[in-house]
Amino acid sequence: GQQLNQSPQSMFIQEGEDVSMNCTSSSIFNTWLWYKQEPGEGPVLLIALYKAGELTSNGRLTAQFGITRKDSFLNISASIPSDVGIYFCAGLVQGAQKLVFGQGTRLTINP
Amino acid sequence: EAGVTQSPTHLIKTRGQQATLRCSPISGHTSVYWYQQALGLGLQFLLWYDEGEERNRGNFPPRFSGRQFPNYSSELNVNALELEDSALYLCASSLGTRARDTQYFGPGTRLTVL
Repeated sequence: GQQLNQSPQSMFIQEGEDVSMNCTSSSIFNTWLWYKQEPGEGPVLLIALYKAGELTSNGRLTAQFGITRKDSFLNISASIPSDVGIYFCAGLVQGAQKLVFGQGTRLTINP
Repeated sequence: EAGVTQSPTHLIKTRGQQATLRCSPISGHTSVYWYQQALGLGLQFLLWYDEGEERNRGNFPPRFSGRQFPNYSSELNVNALELEDSALYLCASSLGTRARDTQYFGPGTRLTVL
């Protein structure tokens, strides 16, 4: 079945550092999404990407939809304590309307 | 605008029992999705309902079922509970089914099977 490989699985960084994580797939997706999940809550949408090559920002977050439509990355600049959480990439299987998720990247920030 | 709401927050059942989980979508959203987030298995697609009909289901046994009501709220039923059904069950809703109709998630129901 379709799978997304997300890396790294975890990151331990200092406050103020930049963060980069990425997702790759063996299948093509026409929509890539990045969500953040905090303990006891559901995933919250951060950025949605709809076009190959698209680069989209949301505050300190920037995400890109790979040209091949098989990958995406998320960057967080100048990390702050509230960035702590698990970040998931997801690809939308159109028609079936199901999201296929990566395994998540757990971000820990040392103040 | 209220987000997706789910109830109950927590549910404890014993093996063999049935569980019913409820979801209210964002106002105006007609599609509802259910996902299972089990420890070590990540987020897995369970079911998709649109306009009261089941449109797609993931790789789960038939004892996972549900329905969507005329007001677009939804129920997920899990029969003959097994220990491995313990997980966070997430409901999401979208305005429609176009590519840009993003899925927004609720806070989830934590189901524990003893």
